[in-house]
Amino acid sequence: EIVLTQSPGTLSLSPGERATLSCRASQSVSSNYLAWYQQKPGQAPRLLIYGASTRATGIPDRFSGSVSGTDFTLTISRLEPEDFAVYYCQQYGSSMYTFGQGTKLEIK
Amino acid sequence: QMQLQESGPGLVKPSGTLSLTCSVSYDSISNTHWWTWVRQPPGKGLEWIGEIQYSGTTNYNPSLKSRVTISLDKSKNQFSLSLTSVTAADTAVYYCACSTGWWRIDHWGQGTLVTASS
Repeated sequence: EIVLTQSPGTLSLSPGERATLSCRASQSVSSNYLAWYQQKPGQAPRLLIYGASTRATGIPDRFSGSVSGTDFTLTISRLEPEDFAVYYCQQYGSSMYTFGQGTKLEIK
Repeated sequence: QMQLQESGPGLVKPSGTLSLTCSVSYDSISNTHWWTWVRQPPGKGLEWIGEIQYSGTTNYNPSLKSRVTISLDKSKNQFSLSLTSVTAADTAVYYCACSTGWWRIDHWGQGTLVTASS
């Protein structure tokens, strides 16, 4: 089973700053199979990025995804107040999904 | 835009069976999507439970496979989750969801809290 490790666990930033969230896979993952989600308290997760770098419908272009080897990155170029939430990466492999443990993005 | 809505008991006794149904609106359960269940224990992360396609093909999380059944009811445009031998560790918000392709889960229900307690 592929394990996804997200870092940092918590990221404290201010609105307007740039956020960089990391997701490292324990073994090779196809970029096609990597997605990112945002979850706010009391809400269902919301798909942000799929295929490692393709924004889902309606997602602002301040959100971007990239990959280098087994390291995947979600970047939020300029934080808006509504961006403070928990972010999860997800991969699909061997006919199952696995999620990272999440990164909490909080207001500094 | 597809809508998903979970329904079922919010309380299940330990050793009992958790049963949830997901009603699908504005799309057909017979489309070539994967109908999915994900859960989230209070204050914790997301755990994928399993999925079913219109053909009836299923995939389950190996950690839950011995206790899980996901099924379709095409006549009602619904799909269901059954989880047997429930313990307190199964207490979670259960989400029904859908993947329309590209190995991502792009539609989610609002979630329903199920508590395993006597």
